[in-house]
Amino acid sequence: AQTVTQSQPEMSVQEAETVTLSCTYDTSESDYYLFWYKQPPSRQMILVIRQEAYKQQNATENRFSVNFQKAAKSFSLKISDSQLGDAAMYFCAYRIPSGSGGSNYKLTFGKGTLLTVNP
Amino acid sequence: NAGVMQNPRHLVRRRGQEARLRCSPVKGHSHVYWYRQLPEEGLKFMVYLQKENIIDESGMPKERFSAEFPKEGPSILRIQQVVRGDSAAYFCASSPWTSKNYGYTFGSGTRLTVV
Repeated sequence: AQTVTQSQPEMSVQEAETVTLSCTYDTSESDYYLFWYKQPPSRQMILVIRQEAYKQQNATENRFSVNFQKAAKSFSLKISDSQLGDAAMYFCAYRIPSGSGGSNYKLTFGKGTLLTVNP
Repeated sequence: NAGVMQNPRHLVRRRGQEARLRCSPVKGHSHVYWYRQLPEEGLKFMVYLQKENIIDESGMPKERFSAEFPKEGPSILRIQQVVRGDSAAYFCASSPWTSKNYGYTFGSGTRLTVV
């Protein structure tokens, strides 16, 4: 079974600094998708960034980037120039691609990392 | 272009009552997924529905929980005879189909409190 582990329950960062959130996962699949979701106090689940496992290049979305290490099954999120609005719970999630058979529509989430941004 | 709409946002029920949670997917999306978030936990898959069909309910508790997505109207997650352990945030997500590898569009959830 696939599992997603976020080993940092809480993290804090100074405004304008950089922070990295860790995520590891366990799977026997060779092709899959990884996601980072942001959940602010409003509870809305917001997709931050997505990585396809077959792509060697790390995904980047503005100030958000990932360090995807497939062999190590690691998928960390780096937030550069942190802003007060980045304060939220961050969830790492995994899914196998459509067409892979089985439950390819299910997202498996980690328990989350609560990020605090200090002014 | 509204996103996934869930209501109510907060729901308080006494033990033994019924809870009905509603989810209107993004317009044009025919696939709906329900997830539950217990305190201090990530989201856990409950059920996957298409219009008038339950595709996978493997994450649903065997008793008291049911879900539907009728041809017309929102998807409904129904919890009968609620107990304190049902207190959680329930999220709905939708997608146009599963052939695209989206991370889905989520609603803001319904927080159910059982007193």
